[in-house]
Amino acid sequence: QVQLVESGGGVVQPGGSLRLSCAASGFTFSGSTLHWVRQAPGKGLEWVAFVSYDGSQQQYADSVLDRFTISRDNSKNTLYLAVNSLKSEDTAVYYCAKGGRLATQAIAFWGPGTRVSVSS
Amino acid sequence: AIRMTQSPSSLSASTGDRVTMTCRASQGIGSYLAWFQQRPGSAPKLLIYAASTLQTGAPSRFSGGGSGTEFTLTISCLQSEDFATYYCQQYYSFPVTFGGGTRVDIK
Repeated sequence: QVQLVESGGGVVQPGGSLRLSCAASGFTFSGSTLHWVRQAPGKGLEWVAFVSYDGSQQQYADSVLDRFTISRDNSKNTLYLAVNSLKSEDTAVYYCAKGGRLATQAIAFWGPGTRVSVSS
Repeated sequence: AIRMTQSPSSLSASTGDRVTMTCRASQGIGSYLAWFQQRPGSAPKLLIYAASTLQTGAPSRFSGGGSGTEFTLTISCLQSEDFATYYCQQYYSFPVTFGGGTRVDIK
């Protein structure tokens, strides 16, 4: 069955960096688009970033543009999110999510999330 | 960016009730609309995609409708496990955007 497991979250000071990872199994990783979506404490869902099945296309929310970088390693079935210049408003649970082969297909499955807390 | 507006933001209902919630897009998105259910402390789960297609494994009491700018999610006979927050999401264009959610509470 489809499994997505995020890791790499933690407590970091403002201005700091982290690299989030998402290990995938149970589906053809290289044939699926992937997203990162976050949820601040007590708030709704906010889409963060997208990467195409082959890694050639990336898209970002304006709120993270030039600070976050999404990437994937299809040989390791792993998705990444490098998060830099962190702000307090980046505090959230970060979810890895699987789409279809095309960008115009819905997110079909989510991982359990990894928590990032930005605090001094 | 396309803005997604959900209404109501919360509702109270009883087990067995029929419940309908609405999602409006600030511009036409065809049928590129998904509905997700999120229970407290858990990740979201896909219920409906392409506005009206039931995801495999989702209960048949859930149904979606609409196209363009107006969409609905209906739960035909509310069960105890349906008390949760529901989010709509457009994937017509980037940035992907979510509605603010509709929380369904026990009356």
